[in-house]
Amino acid sequence: AQKITQTQPGMFVQEKEAVTLDCTYDTSDQSYGLFWYKQPSSGEMIFLIYQGSYDEQNATEGRYSLNFQKARKSANLVISASQLGDSAMYFCAMREDVREIYNQGGKLIFGQGTELSVKP
Amino acid sequence: GAGVSQSPSNKVTEKGKDVELRCDPISGHTALYWYRQSLGQGLEFLIYFQGNSAPDKSGLPSDRFSAERTGGSVSTLTIQRTQQEDSAVYLCASSFRLAGGNEQYFGPGTRLTVT
Repeated sequence: AQKITQTQPGMFVQEKEAVTLDCTYDTSDQSYGLFWYKQPSSGEMIFLIYQGSYDEQNATEGRYSLNFQKARKSANLVISASQLGDSAMYFCAMREDVREIYNQGGKLIFGQGTELSVKP
Repeated sequence: GAGVSQSPSNKVTEKGKDVELRCDPISGHTALYWYRQSLGQGLEFLIYFQGNSAPDKSGLPSDRFSAERTGGSVSTLTIQRTQQEDSAVYLCASSFRLAGGNEQYFGPGTRLTVT
């Protein structure tokens, strides 16, 4: 069974510092995708970054980078130069392999989330 | 362009009543997903649509839950005879297609409270 584990229920970081949010996953699929989403208190789920299982380079999007270690099955999110607006829940998610003949449509399996608080 | 929209944003209903939750995906997105977010269960998949068909309904918690999609666009999630454990935020997401690195764009959710 596929599973996402986020072991940090809450994290604090000082403004302008970098922070790493941990994510490990378990799957027997060879092809999968890993996503990070941000959920502020407003409730909206905001896509941050994507890493494909066959991508050799770590994904980066502005201040966000994904530290992908395939052998360890980890996909940690690194936020550089934290800002007060980064305070939110962060969810790591794995997209199942799309296999239409098996009715697999790429649903996301989410971790429990990490609540990040940025201190001024 | 417009994002994914959901209505209503909040719904309070009495136990035993039926409710309908609506999702309007991004225009041109063929794939549509429903998820539920609750304190006890986190974020869980309910059902997905490719066009108007729903190949994977494995996440629907019981036969009180059903969903349909018409015209490859709007989707409705219906919960019959609501129970208190149905209280949650129901999130809809759409993506351009199933495969590849296409992210799923989420709507703002419908907060359902069953009293």
